[in-house]
Formats: sequence, C-alpha cells, structure tokens
Amino acid sequence: NAGVTQTPKFQVLKTGQSMTLQCAQDMNHEYMSWYRQDPGMGLRLIHYSVGAGITDQGEVPNGYNVSRSTTEDFPLRLLSAAPSQTSVYFCASSYYPWVETQYFGPGTRLLVL
Amino acid sequence: DAKTTQPNSMESNEEEPVHLPCNHSTISGTDYIHWYRQLPSQGPEYVIHGLTSNVNNRMASLAIAEDRKSSTLILHRATLRDAAVYYCILRDVDSGGSNYKLTFGKGTLLTVNP
Repeated sequence: NAGVTQTPKFQVLKTGQSMTLQCAQDMNHEYMSWYRQDPGMGLRLIHYSVGAGITDQGEVPNGYNVSRSTTEDFPLRLLSAAPSQTSVYFCASSYYPWVETQYFGPGTRLLVL
Repeated sequence: DAKTTQPNSMESNEEEPVHLPCNHSTISGTDYIHWYRQLPSQGPEYVIHGLTSNVNNRMASLAIAEDRKSSTLILHRATLRDAAVYYCILRDVDSGGSNYKLTFGKGTLLTVNP
C-alpha cells in the first residue's frame, strides 16, 4: 500500500490564482481530512469527509473547497489564493472518524506571493 | 472542546527513558487520549491511544492517571530518531456522535542528545 499520498510536494502561487491540492489513499478509509500547519502552531482542521459524497467544515474552512466523489480521493481547492494561505497542508485518513488511528500524508508546502 | 496542556519543550539523553506529560483537566468520560508525533519535515505519525487503562505498544507506553485528568507518554529508551514534536490530543466528538476531529495543540518539542 502506498498509504496517503499528496501532490504536489511544493507549489508557488501568485495572489488570486487557484489550484487544487491532491490527496489519495489506497486503504479504503472512509474518513479523510485536510489540515494546515503554520510556523509555531499545531495543525488546524480545514475540512473533513466521513465518506464519499459527505463533507463538512473544520476549524478554518474559509477560502477552501472540498468534494469527495470517490472513497480514495479528497482534493482541496483554493479558489483565490491569498498570502495568508501560505502554509504546509496535510491530508489524513482513517477507517472510521472516531478513535481510529489517523494516517497522514507527507504534506504539500504552499507559498503564495 | 476539552483542551490539553503540554510543556513547550523537553530534553533527554539517548538510551534514557523519557516521560512526556499532558494535562487534560476538562476531559469528558468518553474522550480518548491520543498521542501523535511529528518528525522534522514529515506528517504526524500515530504513537498510541487509550481511554482509562495504561497501554503499551512497540513504540511507547501510555500511563493514564486514575482521575484521567493527566497522562504521560513514556519512551522507554530514547533514540535520536525520537526527536520530534509530540502531540497529546483528545478526541472531539460533536453532538451528532458521527464526526471526529483531532484538535492539535502546539505539542512538546523533544530534543534527544547523543
């Protein structure tokens, strides 16, 4: 199993540009989520999904969209990038939302100029 | 949401045990205590979790206070590869009972000296 994969590893955007961060898992996990991590801070939850077709907002959802059309994929879309979205983004997955171990991807480092 | 309090940093010597404390005085009866760690430039990695009883696995041990208001992650013999930020996290379950959020704090930066 590849586990949780994320692409790209690094991206530079200009303010106002849009892009999609990709996340995929091959473990047949129902639960997937996106976090961002800023320097000196812990991870903050952006959006999550408890199954295909079901998504919900986390702690810091503004400026981001998600969809879950398949169990395997959970892309995160930045509609109009802003410098405040410069961060490292992590995707995570688990079999079920509660209790279970969460598996994290390697992260995408995003710089918005 | 129940919160956790951890020291900002701790230091240890290689091959010695490390005890990483976590306070969670507002923990609810159904909150599980999770520990994750994040090595430099990597995503977080699950370490261990428990509810009431002490837990052991190949990576670490988790000691939970009888009143559950605190817990301690124990690394029995620290290695240089254990240098990481360690997060103590309580499972959040919203009123619907079907959603799950890991709420990360700032964690404890563990430095391991050779």
